[in-house]
Amino acid sequence: GAVVSQHPSRVICKSGTSVKIECRSLDFQATTMFWYRQFPKQSLMLMATSNEGSKATYEQGVEKDKFLINHASLTLSTLTVTSAHPEDSSFYICSAPHQVSDGYTFGSGTRLTVV
Amino acid sequence: AQSVTQLGSHVSVSEGALVLLRCNYSSSVPPYLFWYVQYPNQGLQLLLKYTSAATLVKGINGFEAEFKKSETSFHLTKPSAHMSDAAEYFCAVSLKGFQKLVFGTGTRLLVSP
Repeated sequence: GAVVSQHPSRVICKSGTSVKIECRSLDFQATTMFWYRQFPKQSLMLMATSNEGSKATYEQGVEKDKFLINHASLTLSTLTVTSAHPEDSSFYICSAPHQVSDGYTFGSGTRLTVV
Repeated sequence: AQSVTQLGSHVSVSEGALVLLRCNYSSSVPPYLFWYVQYPNQGLQLLLKYTSAATLVKGINGFEAEFKKSETSFHLTKPSAHMSDAAEYFCAVSLKGFQKLVFGTGTRLLVSP
């Protein structure tokens, strides 16, 4: 079945540093990748949609200069949290639509803690 | 724009009892509807989905849901709860063509012995 591999699963970084999260589609081509953020005990909120070879589309209120999304190939999309602050601590999840399986494939998530 | 409403942030049942998690959707066009389960610090696992085929959808782990257009509902049920069903459940909606998923606020299912 369709698999999206997300790394790292957990990361702790110092305030002011940048963190990159990778999502790779292992057995299919992901032309689109959705990036979600989930705060504790809350739902998933869409941050942005990335499309291979073009600029990402950000949801209202999401700082595009802070959350850099790159989708340079059909199998890799990355989210970089720049100049991270404690309020960026959250659970980040990627998801790719998979038309063959008629659904969406989710990464396993990244727990980011900024100290 | 599409949206989903999940009634009840917490639902408590006894092991062996019926599970009913409610989801109502809003969409201007026929939607795709999904139920996902999430265990702590993990990603989402698809339980079942409705994509305009049969209105009664059977999923994994004994769960099923019925799409009712007249009620704009897609409630999730399981005849007999198991302790391992304790988790967070999310209803989600998207438009055809696999546009972005919009999630409900989630329902935490608690199962007591």
